[in-house]
Parts: sequence; structure tokens; C-alpha cells
Amino acid sequence: ETGVTQSPTHLIKTRGQQVTLRCSSQSGHNTVSWYQQALGQGPQFIFQYYREEENGRGNFPPRFSGLQFPNYSSELNVNALELDDSALYLCASSFDGTRVNEQFFGPGTRLTVL
Amino acid sequence: AQTVTQSQPEMSVQEAETVTLSCTYDTSENNYYLFWYKQPPSRQMILVIRQEAYKQQNATENRFSVNFQKAAKSFSLKISDSQLGDTAMYFCAFMNWDMRFGAGTRLTVKP
Repeated sequence: ETGVTQSPTHLIKTRGQQVTLRCSSQSGHNTVSWYQQALGQGPQFIFQYYREEENGRGNFPPRFSGLQFPNYSSELNVNALELDDSALYLCASSFDGTRVNEQFFGPGTRLTVL
Repeated sequence: AQTVTQSQPEMSVQEAETVTLSCTYDTSENNYYLFWYKQPPSRQMILVIRQEAYKQQNATENRFSVNFQKAAKSFSLKISDSQLGDTAMYFCAFMNWDMRFGAGTRLTVKP
């Protein structure tokens, strides 16, 4: 167990809807990264938040947005869901957002878009 | 752009034997970090081992070791004395600014 939790475990939505996924970071970690893992593929970097501000973004459209709160919990919001958004969404927390620090992953949220 | 390639979609090994998983990457950067992560059926990614590119010495963690060839941009993982609990997906990852993962290798350890 890494101490990183995510909710919900599974979620089913329909195309066009909006979804919010939640992550609780490991205690003391001020950085959270979000990844999308499609079936049979490796995770893809969505974005990273450091001290409540977006600190970098991968190749994802603006309908993917996030928030990080003072208690280091965070949210991933996806608007106007598309079928291709069906995936496992992973969050990972680390301290200080620097490359030297290990990322601790949560168990993920499985999102299915119908 | 940095890319990570794992050319072995699936591998199997007998319990107690040794197996090597391959990984190559492409980058123009000189300073970066490389990782191997394990993802069991429970889905939680677990760090197995990491290597700093500026270090020539190969990283070792108990039964896990890497063969880091910087010039060849190769980063293979060797698992010695394989155990049933090693059965999982293994992902190679490159980190300079953001983390890039390969497509993974599904390893099955057979009794």
C-alpha cells in the first residue's frame, strides 16, 4: 500500500457527460500527477499539480482539467466525455515535484463511457 | 519527443529462474531518470527500481537489477530467482520533465 487513495473505484458514464475523479495523496506530498491508462497500454501523462497550481501538461485537450486542494487532495475533471475516454485513471503523489522523487501511485479509477 | 519501447508484449519464466525484460528509449536529453514499475492485477503501480542517467553503475534492488546502456539507450530489467508473486505487468518509464511509459510486458511466473 502506497498511502494514495482514489475514488470511486469504478464509474460508468454516458457520452457527453461530465465526471470528477478524486485522489488523496500520501501524507506530506505536495505534488500530484494524473495519468490515463487505456486498456493494454502504458499510462499517459495528463498533468501535474504542485502546490495547487498546474505545473505541466501532457497532450490532452482542455476538457481535462484538475484541482489540487490545500490538504493535497486533488480532482481530475473531464467534460464532454467521449468513448475514447474509457480508461484507468491513475494519480501519483510525490514530494516537491522534482524528477528525483519517487511517485507513489494510487489504485486507479476505472472509467467506462457508453 | 521522448519515446519508450518495450518489444516483448508477453514473457514467461519458471519459478526460481532468471528473466530479462527489454526496454529502449529515445531522447536527446542528457540528464534523465529511468524506472521499472510493476502493475499486478490489483492495478496499483509499484516502483521496482530506478536509475539516474548520470550514474554509470547499474542499479540493484535485491533480486532486481538493470543493465543500463546509455549510448545504446537501453535499459533492461533482470529478475533473478523469479517468484510467483512477480507475475504482473512491467512498465519501463523515462522521466526528464514528465514521465513517459512503455506499453508494458506481461510477465507470468510458472510454478
